[in-house]
Amino acid sequence: QQQVKQSPQSLIVQKGGISIINCAYENTAFDYFPWYQQFPGKGPALLIAIRPDVSEKKEGRFTISFNKSAKQFSLHIMDSQPGDSATYFCAASGGGISGTYKYIFGTGTRLKVLA
Amino acid sequence: GAGVSQTPSNKVTEKGKYVELRCDPISGHTALYWYRQSLGQGPEFLIYFQGTGAADDSGLPNDRFFAVRPEGSVSTLKIQRTERGDSAVYLCASSLGQGNEKLFFGSGTQLSVL
Repeated sequence: QQQVKQSPQSLIVQKGGISIINCAYENTAFDYFPWYQQFPGKGPALLIAIRPDVSEKKEGRFTISFNKSAKQFSLHIMDSQPGDSATYFCAASGGGISGTYKYIFGTGTRLKVLA
Repeated sequence: GAGVSQTPSNKVTEKGKYVELRCDPISGHTALYWYRQSLGQGPEFLIYFQGTGAADDSGLPNDRFFAVRPEGSVSTLKIQRTERGDSAVYLCASSLGQGNEKLFFGSGTQLSVL
């Protein structure tokens, strides 16, 4: 029940295309869903996050779509660029209740954007 | 400092040895987390500090792992009798404190146990 399942494992997209990464969770106590971007040799960096009271959040080229009933959320990267090539992790936490943002991370998606 | 600092960036040790990994969080951040990331996997939670106390150590795999944060700032993750399976990247993250969800991660320490 604590798992977050992420797909696909890897993704290749042409420059200018849309990259879509999906995640699913089981624990309905989760109330915070961030996406992190990680480059080789670096720590994860927060990209965008959403709470379950909204169905969509957009920041620049990055959009999270959230489906509370299906317990799924996805990251859309519009106009994908070679600089977006990185590993993306979804995560979930129940921090709003306890204040402890103990994230459960997905297994990651390696995105490659072709020039 | 500008970000979360972790030292060393790489640590190679032999099976059975003791290691210490250091984390220097962002100034003013009261919450500190340790995660472990194995190759090709997402980070896994180890322990959470709020101030000086370990508020949640449920992710520590066994009693060979221990972490301290004596003055509420710098933290040290200690691993005794290292095993080859301990090889991973150990990540530290900090945040402003309880109720603030944005975690800032360091670049990690790559631990290799030979």
